[in-house]
Amino acid sequence: KAGVTQTPRYLIKTRGQQVTLSCSPISGHRSVSWYQQTPGQGLQFLFEYFSETQRNKGNFPGRFSGRQFSNSRSEMNVSTLELGDSALYLCASTDWDNEQFFGPGTRLTVL
Amino acid sequence: AQSVAQPEDQVNVAEGNPLTVKCTYSVSGNPYLFWYVQYPNRGLQFLLKYITGDNLVKGSYGFEAEFNKSQTSFHLKKPSALVSDSALYFCAVRAYGGATNKLIFGTGTLLAVQP
Repeated sequence: KAGVTQTPRYLIKTRGQQVTLSCSPISGHRSVSWYQQTPGQGLQFLFEYFSETQRNKGNFPGRFSGRQFSNSRSEMNVSTLELGDSALYLCASTDWDNEQFFGPGTRLTVL
Repeated sequence: AQSVAQPEDQVNVAEGNPLTVKCTYSVSGNPYLFWYVQYPNRGLQFLLKYITGDNLVKGSYGFEAEFNKSQTSFHLKKPSALVSDSALYFCAVRAYGGATNKLIFGTGTLLAVQP
């Protein structure tokens, strides 16, 4: 079974731009969660989608948004990028047994 | 509010010695607890979980963890450390309240195993 895939793996953007990150969960998993990892704040929950509906949202500004498609693939979007948005963005899909499987992450650098 | 604490930023241990990485939690209700490991420039890898049942949970790569309800702890252990175990370890608890898979993570503990 293929694992969680995330594209792209690396991104460099400038302040003010927007970015879209993609996540394909493990086949059969309907829940997708997104996390931001930074050296200062650690791992912070962004949002969770289940069957195309946002089920939970973390404490991030409205510039961070996401969606899930009918095939469970998910995207997250960050608009008007700020330097502080530089981070590793991790996507995870959850199976029936409460195990979250993480993708390799997308490393976003904002210049 | 739910939270997880990993009191040690770094743990140093010699290869072949037992290791312990500490984790304490604060949640409402019964906790769902997890340990993950992260190698440089990689995502998180699942090690083990406690949902219910035996307090001693066995996981991947020879790791185990002991759930202690009275001390609200879930320490990660391994009888004999390997150099290849050197990595960043995260303890996490599933958020309580409704249907969710949201995880609340500790700050991480860097494990350094010396040859």
